[in-house]
Amino acid sequence: DTAVSQTPKYLVTQMGNDKSIKCEQNLGHDTMYWYKQDSKKFLKIMFSYNNKELIINETVPNRFSPKSPDKAHLNLHINSLELGDSAVYFCASSQERTVGELFFGEGSRLTVL
Amino acid sequence: AQSVAQPEDQVNVAEGNPLTVKCTYSVSGNPYLFWYVQYPNRGLQFLLKYITGDNLVKGSYGFEAEFNKSQTSFHLKKPSALVSDSALYFCAVRGLFQKLVFGTGTRLLVSP
Repeated sequence: DTAVSQTPKYLVTQMGNDKSIKCEQNLGHDTMYWYKQDSKKFLKIMFSYNNKELIINETVPNRFSPKSPDKAHLNLHINSLELGDSAVYFCASSQERTVGELFFGEGSRLTVL
Repeated sequence: AQSVAQPEDQVNVAEGNPLTVKCTYSVSGNPYLFWYVQYPNRGLQFLLKYITGDNLVKGSYGFEAEFNKSQTSFHLKKPSALVSDSALYFCAVRGLFQKLVFGTGTRLLVSP
């Protein structure tokens, strides 16, 4: 019973390709997030959705587009991949109205060649 | 804007000794403070949080943290370190209706 699951766990692709990462949470949380962790382990928020509404949209290239079909799912699509997109992408969820802690997925390691 | 500082890239401690991982923060309004741990090739796991109430917060795996408003600190502590505590630790802060901001992480290395 994984609380926050994301797929795929590993993704190796060529520059210029388009790829997607999917995320699902079964915790009944109202808010979901995408974080990027770079090679120095710095964590940076990219997007956040609350009840399917985009509430945080950090300075991220337009090539990154999140989509939340429902409260339990938040996908990340990346167009025209670049070398600098190589990172680990984490999905997370929380119950925003109680200032709940974030629950993280296991991460999706993207390598762009 | 809120921010978090973790001044130590790495903390080394011998097994059985007490450990402290430091965190200071800046936020407007009341702070909501969190500690997370990350093991290699894993996602972040929640350890503990301070929202309100008692300044000493107890969390998972024997960890605790003390909220100090005057020093704007939220240091993570454990009375007796285990080798298995070796991991990357992140402090995070947010205000009400604000995004959660993470520190740069502190690597804890516990030697046998």
